[in-house]
Amino acid sequence: DGGITQSPKYLFRKEGQNVTLSCEQNLNHDAMYWYRQDPGQGLRLIYYSQIVNDFQKGDIAEGYSVSREKKESFPLTVTSAQKNPTAFYLCASSTRTSSSTDTQYFGPGTRLTVL
Amino acid sequence: AQKITQTQPGMFVQEKEAVTLDCTYDTSDQSYGLFWYKQPSSGEMIFLIYQGSYDEQNATEGRYSLNFQKARKSANLVISASQLGDSAMYFCAMREGAGNNRLAFGKGNQVVVIP
Repeated sequence: DGGITQSPKYLFRKEGQNVTLSCEQNLNHDAMYWYRQDPGQGLRLIYYSQIVNDFQKGDIAEGYSVSREKKESFPLTVTSAQKNPTAFYLCASSTRTSSSTDTQYFGPGTRLTVL
Repeated sequence: AQKITQTQPGMFVQEKEAVTLDCTYDTSDQSYGLFWYKQPSSGEMIFLIYQGSYDEQNATEGRYSLNFQKARKSANLVISASQLGDSAMYFCAMREGAGNNRLAFGKGNQVVVIP
C-alpha cells in the first residue's frame, strides 16, 4: 500500500536529549514537510524539503534539524535546544512543488512527550 | 495577522443532518488554494477537498462540498448526511501563490455527531 509512515507513534524523551522522528513515504513524492501541533491549535510548519539534499526552514525551525538524503525519507531531529518539545508531530508529502493545487498528504503522527 | 480563521465553538450535529463549518481567509494574492482536512481522534490528517481561487464552480467530493465566496473570502465546508464517523476536528488551510509549498492552517472546528 502506498502511504506515509511515521515512527514511533509515541516517544518519551528526557530533558537534554536529542531525539529523531522517522518519516518515510512510498508515494514517489518530491516534497516533504514536518509540522508541529499543540493542543487546541492548528499545524505549524517546522521544515520542508522540495528535493533531495535540499530543505528550508518553516515558521518554527529553532531547536529542530532535518536531513533529506533520500527521496523517500525526511527524518526530524528534536534537539535539546528546543525549549518546549512536547507536542504532536506530523509529516506530510506532496507531488508537485510549484502549483497551488498541490495537495499535502499526511502520516499518522508521532506524539512526543518530554519527561 | 491570522491567515485562516475558524471561530465556531464545538458543534453537535444529529446523524443524517447537514453541518456547515466556517472558514474565512486573508490574502492579497490572486492565485491561492484552499483545503479542508479531517483529524479524527487517532491524529492523522485526512485530506477532504480542495478549491482553487480561479475555480468557478464550488468543489464537491462525495458528501463534502465547499461553499466558496471569493468576495467575502470565505470557504465553508458543508458535510451532508452526517455519519457517526464524521466526528472529528476539521481544519481549513490555505496555500498562497504559485511556487509556494507552505500551508497556513486554522485552529480547527470540533464536530461531534450524535445518533
